[in-house]
Amino acid sequence: DTGVSQDPRHKITKRGQNVTFRCDPISEHNRLYWYRQTLGQGPEFLTYFQNEAQLEKSRLLSDRFSAERPKGSFSTLEIQRTEQGDSAMYLCASRAVVTEAFFGQGTRLTVV
Amino acid sequence: KNEVEQSPQNLTAQEGEFITINCSYSVGISALHWLQQHPGGGIVSLFMLSSGKKKHGRLIATINIQEKHSSLHITASHPRDSAVYICAVWVHYGGSQGNLIFGKGTKLSVKP
Repeated sequence: DTGVSQDPRHKITKRGQNVTFRCDPISEHNRLYWYRQTLGQGPEFLTYFQNEAQLEKSRLLSDRFSAERPKGSFSTLEIQRTEQGDSAMYLCASRAVVTEAFFGQGTRLTVV
Repeated sequence: KNEVEQSPQNLTAQEGEFITINCSYSVGISALHWLQQHPGGGIVSLFMLSSGKKKHGRLIATINIQEKHSSLHITASHPRDSAVYICAVWVHYGGSQGNLIFGKGTKLSVKP
């Protein structure tokens, strides 16, 4: 499968714990995006990478959130000291310069 | 007011009916996506278009750049078309490299 893959698909964690999600984009795509989607809402932009450079960050991305794309390939999104409000679906997408975006299956986070 | 508005929010149809979902946006865009999301997560891109009309099977997408409006049509609807359909636009703010702004989605249910 050469699509966008995300791991894990589901994560249940206790409030206050740290969690890390991984996204593997389509290999030739240099742009990678993270979005967050809460129930009944459309996805909201979190951050964006072009190759290894993080070019944009939403104000939604508090200082508890950090994202990396160390070699311009896979990316990780870490949430520190999770809160119940962090419960959401975290989506990753990738694209080449002018192609359409391809999305992963998402990681559903539940903070209890 | 959201930058991307979809209507209707919910739509119930009988199998075989012709379906139209509308999307209006208030920002300058470089392209527009129609996306499909089934319960449990993953998003699939149906179309990306920046002008005119595209057709894929029973799905047709149109866009009018001057009117800032797009429509997604489904002909001969089928219960397997039941999903949330999301309109998303690529926008550029100032020096931004661009990201996707999503509508809230239209939940379609097709009854047999």
